Amino acid sequence: AQSVTQLDSHVSVSEGTPVLLRCNYSSSYSPSLFWYVQHPNKGLQLLLKYTSAATLVKGINGFEAEFKKSETSFHLTKPSAHMSDAAEYFCVVTLVNYGGSQGNLIFGKGTKLSVKP
Amino acid sequence: DAGVTQSPTHLIKTRGQHVTLRCSPISGHKSVSWYQQVLGQGPQFIFQYYEKEERGRGNFPDRFSARQFPNYSSELNVNALLLGDSALYLCASSPGWQGEKLFFGSGTQLSVL
Repeated sequence: AQSVTQLDSHVSVSEGTPVLLRCNYSSSYSPSLFWYVQHPNKGLQLLLKYTSAATLVKGINGFEAEFKKSETSFHLTKPSAHMSDAAEYFCVVTLVNYGGSQGNLIFGKGTKLSVKP
Repeated sequence: DAGVTQSPTHLIKTRGQHVTLRCSPISGHKSVSWYQQVLGQGPQFIFQYYEKEERGRGNFPDRFSARQFPNYSSELNVNALLLGDSALYLCASSPGWQGEKLFFGSGTQLSVL
């Protein structure tokens, strides 16, 4: 069965410092992995996705994530945090089979990112 | 272009009642998925419909049901509401049935008293 574990429920950084949100995955098959962001009172927005094309994935707003199969990790990073990055971040996995990725996403419990001025 | 729209935005019900939540996908999208997000948790998959047929079902009781209409809009129905059904219900649409291009609505906040 597929699952993701987000290692930190809350991360606090200062504006201008690096961001690291950690995620480990478990999957018996080739996974598709995503990071979504949820701002208060707004819908979930896709930050980036990994679908086996390249291990280092670049997303929107300066975020990127690296797929490490040996460590079963897919950590999200950003070199310099901005106040507008404060939000809840979800690591997500879905199955990939011969027909492509499945329609049901499996979310982690989320990491709340706080950015201090 | 309009995104995924959900109605109502907020809803208060009492235990034992029935509720219907509605979702309009992005124009041209044929798949609609429903997720439940309990406070402090990640969203949990309930249903996926594609071309008006159920494509997937999560681990939810039979009190939860859904359908998709010819215009690809969708309804989620929950019968015999329990306090534990209080959550944010999210709808997502995608062009096809695969999960790589999901667009989420802002959700319906359901409170069961």
